Amino acid sequence: GDSVTQMEGPVTLSEEAFLTINCTYTATGYPSLFWYVQYPGEGLQLLLKATKADDKGSNKGFEATYRKETTSFHLEKGSVQVSDSAVYFCALSIPPNDYKLSFGAGTTVTVRA
Amino acid sequence: KAGVTQTPRYLIKTRGQQVTLSCSPISGHRSVSWYQQTPGQGLQFLFEYFSETQRNKGNFPGRFSGRQFSNSRSEMNVSTLELGDSALYLCASSTPGGDYGYTFGSGTRLTVV
Repeated sequence: GDSVTQMEGPVTLSEEAFLTINCTYTATGYPSLFWYVQYPGEGLQLLLKATKADDKGSNKGFEATYRKETTSFHLEKGSVQVSDSAVYFCALSIPPNDYKLSFGAGTTVTVRA
Repeated sequence: KAGVTQTPRYLIKTRGQQVTLSCSPISGHRSVSWYQQTPGQGLQFLFEYFSETQRNKGNFPGRFSGRQFSNSRSEMNVSTLELGDSALYLCASSTPGGDYGYTFGSGTRLTVV
């Protein structure tokens, strides 16, 4: 079945450090790929997305590129802030008839001042 | 623009009882999906509705059910509650294909005692 594998956490960084969270996927079709972020006590917020190979999603300094050849969608940020502390989820869906998201296990990121 | 609204935010129920959770999607979004989030299993898809029809269902027992009304609001019901049903239940709404991402509510925290 369709699945997403994320690097295990937790990840602890200092402010202004570089962040990478690895995400690889297995899909029977041609997936759309997403990164969601969850802050404590809240629901999920869409961080960025990509719908076809070589697309780069970007938002709030975060970037991820859809790599079909390596079935990957790694999340990166060049300089993290304390406010980036959250749980990050990689997810996929298979349009047009999947109607659901399949999530990775999530990666907890803590940024220290 | 109002987001996805879930009610109630917190709920405590006793084993064997039943519970109904409510979700109001973003105006204009006709697709509503539900997810269960637990520390052990992560985020798991429950079901998705569009125009009052269930289009996809996850691998959950029949005690979990849902419905959607003509105004796109959705409810999910869990009957004969078990301790293992304690979780954060998240609702998401989207445009029909989901390609633009799914917008999540803040969730309902259900505790079964």
